[in-house]
Amino acid sequence: DGGITQSPKYLFRKEGQNVTLSCEQNLNHDAMYWYRQDPGQGLRLIYYSQIVNDFQKGDIAEGYSVSREKKESFPLTVTSAQKNPTAFYLCASRVDRGLLNTEAFFGQGTRLTVV
Amino acid sequence: QKEVEQNSGPLSVPEGAIASLNCTYSDRGSQSFFWYRQYSGKSPELIMSIYSNGDKEDGRFTAQLNKASQYVSLLIRDSQPSDSATYLCAVSPYTGTASKLTFGTGTRLQVTL
Repeated sequence: DGGITQSPKYLFRKEGQNVTLSCEQNLNHDAMYWYRQDPGQGLRLIYYSQIVNDFQKGDIAEGYSVSREKKESFPLTVTSAQKNPTAFYLCASRVDRGLLNTEAFFGQGTRLTVV
Repeated sequence: QKEVEQNSGPLSVPEGAIASLNCTYSDRGSQSFFWYRQYSGKSPELIMSIYSNGDKEDGRFTAQLNKASQYVSLLIRDSQPSDSATYLCAVSPYTGTASKLTFGTGTRLQVTL
């Protein structure tokens, strides 16, 4: 089945640790996105990538890093520099048609908790 | 000014009524507009996309776009308890190269019996 797979579903991080969230898609989508959602809040854009080996910072990129070595994969690393990482992380992808962009499809999310 | 603004609600409507959800955006160059529904603890799912001024209908849902006023809305007719969720407005500005997709904070809708 085509879709976006995020793993793990739940992740616990100790203070000072780096952790990596996985996002894989088999939809042949060009663009991929990472969002963070805090309780009762909307989605805030962390990073996005248009093509392989290229990505742009979103609105809250500090304390996060990404890579896009393959079209299908867009992992997000939450570094120790991110002081308040407890949140729901969502990965999305879409076909990029330039001016009239298509809708984005989401993975099931990863809930990260600092312990 | 936020790029995409929504009233956080909650918006409470009785079952069978029309729910009206509103969204404004700041970038006049935006070309693509989306409404998503999100149940608590779940990921967002697409309800409607709209690209041109006017109305677009899909079942009980109607999206309305007014680019001159930088305003997009979602109407839900015959509201059902299962429609109780948070509704997120998303906008894709045209930047020429990258395709940023920005969400509002969402409006929580409660459909009461």
